[in-house]
Amino acid sequence: GAVVSQHPSWVICKSGTSVKIECRSLDFQATTMFWYRQFPKQSLMLMATSNEGSKATYEQGVEKDKFLINHASLTLSTLTVTSAHPEDSSFYICSARSEAGGPGELFFGEGSRLTVL
Amino acid sequence: AQTVTQSQPEMSVQEAETVTLSCTYDTSESNYYLFWYKQPPSRQMILVIRQEAYKQQNATENRFSVNFQKAAKSFSLKISDSQLGDTAMYFCAFMKHQTGANNLFFGTGTRLTVIP
Repeated sequence: GAVVSQHPSWVICKSGTSVKIECRSLDFQATTMFWYRQFPKQSLMLMATSNEGSKATYEQGVEKDKFLINHASLTLSTLTVTSAHPEDSSFYICSARSEAGGPGELFFGEGSRLTVL
Repeated sequence: AQTVTQSQPEMSVQEAETVTLSCTYDTSESNYYLFWYKQPPSRQMILVIRQEAYKQQNATENRFSVNFQKAAKSFSLKISDSQLGDTAMYFCAFMKHQTGANNLFFGTGTRLTVIP
């Protein structure tokens, strides 16, 4: 199967600092990756669609300047939370589609838990 | 707009018994995919089972099967012979059937605990 890996798995930062989360497809190329945010006991909410070599597509209500997404290669997408605040604390998950998967199947990373103090 | 509803926040089942998780959805699309994803504690989400809306036959994957009622927009997951490793959050999800990058719409999840 296809493997997606996220790093770091957890991070604690001070309010006002920026944090970068990486999402890598380890054994396949991903032209498109998805970034989700998951609140405790809630569902995953799509934040943005990351497109290799072009700008990300953000969902309504998601601040582009707050959550910077870069997809510079076919195996790496990064999410940078800029000037983080406590309300940005959450679980961030990325996913990608692989030809190894069936129709519509997405492969997910392990998730990154961000805590902003 | 698509919505996915899971009305059971938590469920438990005795090991080796059978449990059914409920999911309903709302869409105006005629062709789509439905999924059940499993998110074990501290581990990544994995696909459990997939159903294509144009297929009437219910999908089955070993101990996992679905009851897909298209007219009722219902998509329940049955887990037979429950095992301790089935303990996880289970998310029902919907995806339009179209070319290009598609988004998954998730339900709020059901936390399943398998009791030894």
